[in-house]
Amino acid sequence: DTAVSQTPKYLVTQMGNDKSIKCEQNLGHDTMYWYKQDSKKFLKIMFSYNNKELIINETVPNRFSPKSPDKAHLNLHINSLELGDSAVYFCASSHGTQGTEAFFGQGTRLTVV
Amino acid sequence: GENVEQHPSTLSVQEGDSAVIKCTYSDSASNYFPWYKQELGKRPQLIIDIRSNVGEKKDQRIAVTLNKTAKHFSLHITETQPEDSAVYFCAAKDDKIIFGKGTRLHILP
Repeated sequence: DTAVSQTPKYLVTQMGNDKSIKCEQNLGHDTMYWYKQDSKKFLKIMFSYNNKELIINETVPNRFSPKSPDKAHLNLHINSLELGDSAVYFCASSHGTQGTEAFFGQGTRLTVV
Repeated sequence: GENVEQHPSTLSVQEGDSAVIKCTYSDSASNYFPWYKQELGKRPQLIIDIRSNVGEKKDQRIAVTLNKTAKHFSLHITETQPEDSAVYFCAAKDDKIIFGKGTRLHILP
């Protein structure tokens, strides 16, 4: 079974649209993350979220918003998409504040045209 | 917040030689230091990690060292093979995982 799964794998959309990427983990982790990987391969944290706290990277535009219906899901909503939003978005999960591995989803390649 | 610096950004080594990637971190509260390998088109995957109460850890051809005082940690790959070619990321974790900018490792035949 896939531990961290994201959908869709590929997403092509026009500027100005609103889109969502879904993420689910079946590992029983209590912390989930969204990372953006740009063309230079930098992995930048966007959000980390557990059942207590949402931590937002202050450089993330407020067009991006995480939504967590429950501990196993952390979806990413993006409003008014811009060309610069094109990237690969990775969801990940881990055990909260403990020093443990983060498991990544397969990534969603978002292309804004 | 935590800041992780990683060097070099690109590294080419002859097959069979060793590769070393170095990272520094800024937040002394960070207590967990994983290394991830990302092959082309794939997700990052953990290859080795070290916790702040340990100075060195080895797993076959891969070793990691940590100097808490200097806030340095390094990845060492010995006897490199073609399949080691990938992008490697160091990271530091307190309450969230912050990654370095990655090192693209090329193994030359």
